[in-house]
Amino acid sequence: AQSVTQPDIHITVSEGASLELRCNYSYGATPYLFWYVQSPGQGLQLLLKYFSGDTLVQGIKGFEAEFKRSQSSFNLRKPSVHWSDAAEYFCAVGARTDKLIFGTGTRLQVFP
Amino acid sequence: GAVVSQHPSWVICKSGTSVKIECRSLDFQATTMFWYRQFPKQSLMLMATSNEGSKATYEQGVEKDKFLINHASLTLSTLTVTSAHPEDSSFYICSAPGRAGNEQFFGPGTRLTVL
Repeated sequence: AQSVTQPDIHITVSEGASLELRCNYSYGATPYLFWYVQSPGQGLQLLLKYFSGDTLVQGIKGFEAEFKRSQSSFNLRKPSVHWSDAAEYFCAVGARTDKLIFGTGTRLQVFP
Repeated sequence: GAVVSQHPSWVICKSGTSVKIECRSLDFQATTMFWYRQFPKQSLMLMATSNEGSKATYEQGVEKDKFLINHASLTLSTLTVTSAHPEDSSFYICSAPGRAGNEQFFGPGTRLTVL
């Protein structure tokens, strides 16, 4: 079955600290992987995506993610978190332009 | 860049009434659009795939007679929630594949509240 697991429902970090949000997936075909961010009451903004090639992808706002096929993971990282990064983060998998399967999300809280 | 809009951004209606939500691709054509529903503090769940010129494809458990989808043109898909009830209150988000065919572009969402 196709699925995406985000094990951490809620993460709290101090501003300036590093961040890693975990994402594991199960997908039959070659996965296309995405990370989205959603602020309260807002739509989704794409942070980064992975289709092929270099397994370390850079995104917007200083985020990066690493695809590890052997672990079926696509973890999101940021070396130094800003207060404005507080939001809900969703990992998703799909087949390019096909429907996406989303994880349950990780809510990030940032303390000053 | 590819932009997807939704209208209205929020709507409040009485139980038993119908509500129409529009999803438009503003600067590109989309033969396929996707409708998602997001309950508070939950993830997005795909409801249906909207296909221009043909019937929509609904996910398991989604009532097609309740959630009517019409893909009227290459830039417009509508979702009509018929006989809405409080349990239909949710955040409805649409998406469309961009021109380059390498990602989905999401609308800003429509918050539906049924009293």
